[in-house]
Amino acid sequence: DAGITQSPRHKVTETGTPVTLRCHQTENHRYMYWYRQDPGHGLRLIHYSYGVKDTDKGEVSDGYSVSRSKTEDFLLTLESATSSQTSVYFCAISDSGTDTQYFGPGTRLTVL
Amino acid sequence: DAKTTQPNSMESNEEEPVHLPCNHSTISGTDYIHWYRQLPSQGPEYVIHGLTSNVNNRMASLAIAEDRKSSTLILHRATLRDAAVYYCILRGSNDYKLSFGAGTTVTVRA
Repeated sequence: DAGITQSPRHKVTETGTPVTLRCHQTENHRYMYWYRQDPGHGLRLIHYSYGVKDTDKGEVSDGYSVSRSKTEDFLLTLESATSSQTSVYFCAISDSGTDTQYFGPGTRLTVL
Repeated sequence: DAKTTQPNSMESNEEEPVHLPCNHSTISGTDYIHWYRQLPSQGPEYVIHGLTSNVNNRMASLAIAEDRKSSTLILHRATLRDAAVYYCILRGSNDYKLSFGAGTTVTVRA
């Protein structure tokens, strides 16, 4: 299995609070991605990174920001969480932008 | 993005083959056909991909129609561990993202 961990695995928070999710990889892959998965929508791309300090938006980026200061870590921040951001968040990595993506175990976030 | 159409669900008996169809009538010449699956409470995992020719690996086989408007993922001997949602995804040669649809939920009966 690809070495990808996500933390925390579960989190419950209140509306309006900031939340940061972490994705950590040990594969030295250049690309990292954040997806969210909701019933009826499948997985949707939030943001992705193509190198240290290089990030770009996906299809559902509003309300989210990301940072990548090291190859191995990709952080997803909800500046002010809303109930609509209750979801399961998956991190993925790939060696190049078009290679196979390997997914982490997911973080279940509940915003009350 | 070109779209794919898959049945919502399929059932199979353990140790029998499973054939999962996918229609993609608007596929372009540079789109690869990818399959991922998602086991319960886990992240998606790569299964197989192909462009024009049939492909085999240790997990499955991918049969691609000659006109590329459809494909079939074949699990040769289903096990209980193969119960998952299977996603058929079209991905351009320069696409960085994966576009997941609803997929096919496969149930394997013991």
